[in-house]
Amino acid sequence: DQQVKQNSPSLSVQEGRISILNCDYTNSMFDYFLWYKKYPAEGPTFLISISSIKDKNEDGRFTVFLNKSAKHLSLHIVPSQPGDSAVYFCAATVTGNQFYFGTGTSLTVIP
Amino acid sequence: EAQVTQNPRYLITVTGKKLTVTCSQNMNHEYMSWYRQDPGLGLRQIYYSMNVEVTDKGDVPEGYKVSRKEKRNFPLILESPSPNQTSLYFCASSPLAGVPTDTQYFGPGTRLTVL
Repeated sequence: DQQVKQNSPSLSVQEGRISILNCDYTNSMFDYFLWYKKYPAEGPTFLISISSIKDKNEDGRFTVFLNKSAKHLSLHIVPSQPGDSAVYFCAATVTGNQFYFGTGTSLTVIP
Repeated sequence: EAQVTQNPRYLITVTGKKLTVTCSQNMNHEYMSWYRQDPGLGLRQIYYSMNVEVTDKGDVPEGYKVSRKEKRNFPLILESPSPNQTSLYFCASSPLAGVPTDTQYFGPGTRLTVL
């Protein structure tokens, strides 16, 4: 049973606008959440993370929001750029050894 | 250059023929892990290793074996591959085990097809 879900398989956004990628989880024990970005024919690369003791973490154009009561996190990209076109995976962990990933959202940023 | 390497990158094999996918990292990382990526299922963790001779099951370990005899290497063994193991496999490593803030570095992937 998928403990981390990304319900939108794909998303298209105009360049310069905001991209919002969503992720839901079921296990309330998860205490650390991560976003990874994946280009075709490459391995995923780390993007941004957030601890469960925070509700927001920002790194440049990327911001992750965590709503623990709703078991929901989102990744905001502002402004979106064509180079952001990739598949984005959210992931969660309790132990820092076992990780649960979502199904991924394919983001296309249209120039 | 710091990297995680996997070999082979592509492999087509037949049901039941044992195979090994190698993974090596040159960063002296303590933690290593294997994942498989399937359409509609995302990335799922197969096994992970917290250090030499210390391994544990991930979410989908059935049909796979691993070993960690050296810190740099973490091979994935399919003793009797079946078509449902056709997938894209990724190896990853991070500096320390049990530290979620440590970034995982992923290899380029191995595309396996089992006929």
